[in-house]
Formats: sequence, structure tokens, C-alpha cells
Amino acid sequence: DIQMTQSPSFLSASVGDRVTINCKASQNINKYLDWYQQKLGEAPKLLIYNTNSLHTGIPSRFSGSGSGTDFTLTISSLQPEDVATYFCLQHNSGWTFGGGTKLELK
Amino acid sequence: EVQLQQSGAELVRPGTSVKLSCKVSGDTITAYYMHFVKQRPGQGLEWIGRIDPEDDSTKYAEKFKNKATLTADTSSNTAYLKLSSLTSEDTATYFCTTGVAGPYYFDYWGQGVMVTVSS
Repeated sequence: DIQMTQSPSFLSASVGDRVTINCKASQNINKYLDWYQQKLGEAPKLLIYNTNSLHTGIPSRFSGSGSGTDFTLTISSLQPEDVATYFCLQHNSGWTFGGGTKLELK
Repeated sequence: EVQLQQSGAELVRPGTSVKLSCKVSGDTITAYYMHFVKQRPGQGLEWIGRIDPEDDSTKYAEKFKNKATLTADTSSNTAYLKLSSLTSEDTATYFCTTGVAGPYYFDYWGQGVMVTVSS
């Protein structure tokens, strides 16, 4: 099975900061990497699919990049409503989630 | 619009089994793969498996092959997750999810159902 290593596990940032979250796959997953946001007590929400495609209705401050084994989610200017846990998901071979990054406001 | 409605919370005894439902409205269930995801309290997400209701084919994550069974009833537009030989490790919230815009990512989610395994 493909393993997904996400970093950091915890992140504290200020409103307006540029935030980056990383995911590393144990083998080549091409472009098949998605990002999800989960707020406390809610179901996850799709942000970005296939590395860099912004899902409908998601603000443009969210972006994704990468290929092969290394991927990044970037929030260009952190907003208070972005406080959440973020997960990556590979779907190149089966489906595997990363461990998550909990993002809090400083 | 597609909606996924899951059954209510369950309190179950160790060693027993439980069957969770996920009813699709707004479209026919045979149009999509139906997936289930586990989340233990305060922990991350684990993909359990998926079923194609069109032909009942299934695919499971290795660690859930002897734990989970996915089925679908096209007449009621409902997918099911059965968990067997329950232990405290199965205490978690279980989500159903599907990809409407694309078959391999998850743009629609159920509200989740909490399963508590306790004697």
C-alpha cells in the first residue's frame, strides 16, 4: 500500500500569513493527490483535486502544487475561518490519507 | 443536488457486528462509487473501502479486509457498511462519501455516524 506522510502535524500562524502544508508519498502517485479541510465536528470538505485543481466554491487563496511524490497545499493569506485540520489523499493506487495537519491561529 | 444521509449513532457490545447505512438522494446510486472512511476520536482519516453499486464490485484497504463488508441496494439507493467482531478499536465515526464531479475524489460526504463499542 502507498503511505502518505504529512507535515507538519501542527501549525500555528497569524491572520494574513502564507501557510504551506506538505505531503510525501512512499512512491510515485503522478498527479493524483487531493486536499481536504475538516472543521471540528464536521465532515471533511474537498478543497483541491488532482494536485492543483480548485474545487467549486473554494476561495482562490487555496492552491496546490507538486508531482510524483511531493505535494504542497498553500494558503496565500490565512483567514480566521481557515482554522481546521487538513488532510491529503492519494488516489493513484487505492486511496490513502495523510495523517493530517492541525492549523490554529497564533 | 446529491445528498448522503447516514443512519444514527450506535452503541454495540464487543464481539458483535453492526451495519451502517448511507442513503443517496438526488441521483441514482449506480452512478457513483460509494466509499466509507473511519475516524477515531481525535485522530486522522482512514479509507476503508469502496463499492461500485453498478456491479457490486468492492475494493478494501488491506487492514479492513477481515473487518468490513460493503454492500448496496439499488432499489433503496442505499449503501451499507457492516463491521464484524467489534472491539474498542472500532469505536469511531464512520463517514460515507462519493465523487460526483469525478470518480476518484470525494466531493460529497454523509454527516458521519458514531459507533461506540462498549460492554
